[in-house]
Amino acid sequence: GAGVSQTPSNKVTEKGKYVELRCDPISGHTALYWYRQSLGQGPEFLIYFQGTGAADDSGLPNDRFFAVRPEGSVSTLKIQRTERGDSAVYLCASSPWDFASEQFFGPGTRLTVL
Amino acid sequence: KQEVTQIPAALSVPEGENLVLNCSFTDSAIYNLQWFRQDPGKGLTSLLLIQSSQREQTSGRLNASLDKSSGRSTLYIAASQPGDSATYLCAVTQGGSEKLVFGKGTKLTVNP
Repeated sequence: GAGVSQTPSNKVTEKGKYVELRCDPISGHTALYWYRQSLGQGPEFLIYFQGTGAADDSGLPNDRFFAVRPEGSVSTLKIQRTERGDSAVYLCASSPWDFASEQFFGPGTRLTVL
Repeated sequence: KQEVTQIPAALSVPEGENLVLNCSFTDSAIYNLQWFRQDPGKGLTSLLLIQSSQREQTSGRLNASLDKSSGRSTLYIAASQPGDSATYLCAVTQGGSEKLVFGKGTKLTVNP
């Protein structure tokens, strides 16, 4: 596609439930990033993939968060046992190569945990 | 730990004014600096990317400068328009890492 796409655009869930958020990067981009943005804050890094492997997952807040990119294209961010504090906008970005290149962002998924 | 600060947090100007947004970072060991625009409820749109070896980049009415040694960048917007109203975020790529570290942004309102 022309840009990074993310689905769903909005997700409302109940505390304790499991959610999956999907990111489709720009075709041909080998690097993929997940960020989380809380209201009034800048995005915070979660995890970075180069190809299929997670090159840096230092931003994942705890073991309830996990992400995969099995074929080096689409990525899924998975959150287990959701908590109200997980409510935020989850942003995905991609870039054409991994050395400090320009990152292109998707529209985000707004997650609300009730 | 890299910290990025943007001043002011909010800015309101009349249409046609030239303006400057400021960004500072605590660790000068960066690969690049990127300026983004974010409209309410939307994702981020990349405006300009400055590599660490560069001093400035220009795109249309936008000009971004980088002074790596002092840990500062500015985004200059010429002849502002109501359509420029948005939140502007700066972010740096830290040396040895691919992740972007963001400031909290400057919310710009251009009044017609």
